Amino acid sequence: AQSVTQLGSHVSVSEGALVLLRCNYSSSVPPYLFWYVQYPNQGLQLLLKYTTGATLVKGINGFEAEFKKSETSFHLTKPSAHMSDAAEYFCAVSEGNAGGTSYGKLTFGQGTILTVHP
Amino acid sequence: DTGVSQDPRHKITKRGQNVTFRCDPISEHNRLYWYRQTLGQGPEFLTYFQNEAQLEKSRLLSDRFSAERPKGSFSTLEIQRTEQGDSAMYLCASSLNKYQETQYFGPGTRLLVL
Repeated sequence: AQSVTQLGSHVSVSEGALVLLRCNYSSSVPPYLFWYVQYPNQGLQLLLKYTTGATLVKGINGFEAEFKKSETSFHLTKPSAHMSDAAEYFCAVSEGNAGGTSYGKLTFGQGTILTVHP
Repeated sequence: DTGVSQDPRHKITKRGQNVTFRCDPISEHNRLYWYRQTLGQGPEFLTYFQNEAQLEKSRLLSDRFSAERPKGSFSTLEIQRTEQGDSAMYLCASSLNKYQETQYFGPGTRLLVL
C-alpha cells in the first residue's frame, strides 16, 4: 500500500521568501511522484513529476522538487514566492511497474495551503 | 486540446435523490479516473477505466455508486439515494496509457446534499 504525508497543513511566507512544502511517501515499489496545485473552486494542475532519471525535477512557475529515496521525501521548493503562488498544494504518489505504465491511481496527501504575505 | 470537462459544475440535491455526473476526457486519452475530494482533504481515488473496461474500484465506492464508460470516451458517475455524507467535489482525470503517464484533471463537480 502507498501513502503520502504532507507536513504542515498551512504554510505562510512573505513575498520574495523561500517556499518549502514537505512531502514524505511510503511505497512498496519504485514510486512515481507528483505535485499538483489547486486554486479555489478549480481542479488540480500538475506542477511537476518524478518518474525515473534525474532526481531534481523542475516544474512550472519556478517550482522544483528533489526525490530523495533514502529519506522517502519529495519536497517542493521555490526560491522566491509570488503573491500568485497562494493556493493549495498536493503531493501524490503512483506506483510504478516494470512496464513503465504505472498502476494508475494516485494517492494524495492531505494538502498544504500556502499563504503569501506582501 | 480542450482539456477535461465535467458537467454540471455544481449540483444541489435533496437526500434520497439520484444524481448523475458526466466527464469528457481529453481526446484520445484511454484512461479515465474518478476521485472524490471532501473539504480540507486531498482527493481520494474512486475508480478508473481503461477504454470501456472498469479496472479498479475503491472500497469507497459503495453499491449506491456506479460508473460507466460505455464507448470508451465520456464517463458517467451516478449516485443513487444520496446521503449528506456524499457532499463533496467529484473530480475526473484522464491520461494516455503510456510510459510516465500524467493525469490531467477537470474542474470538478461540487455536490451538496441537503
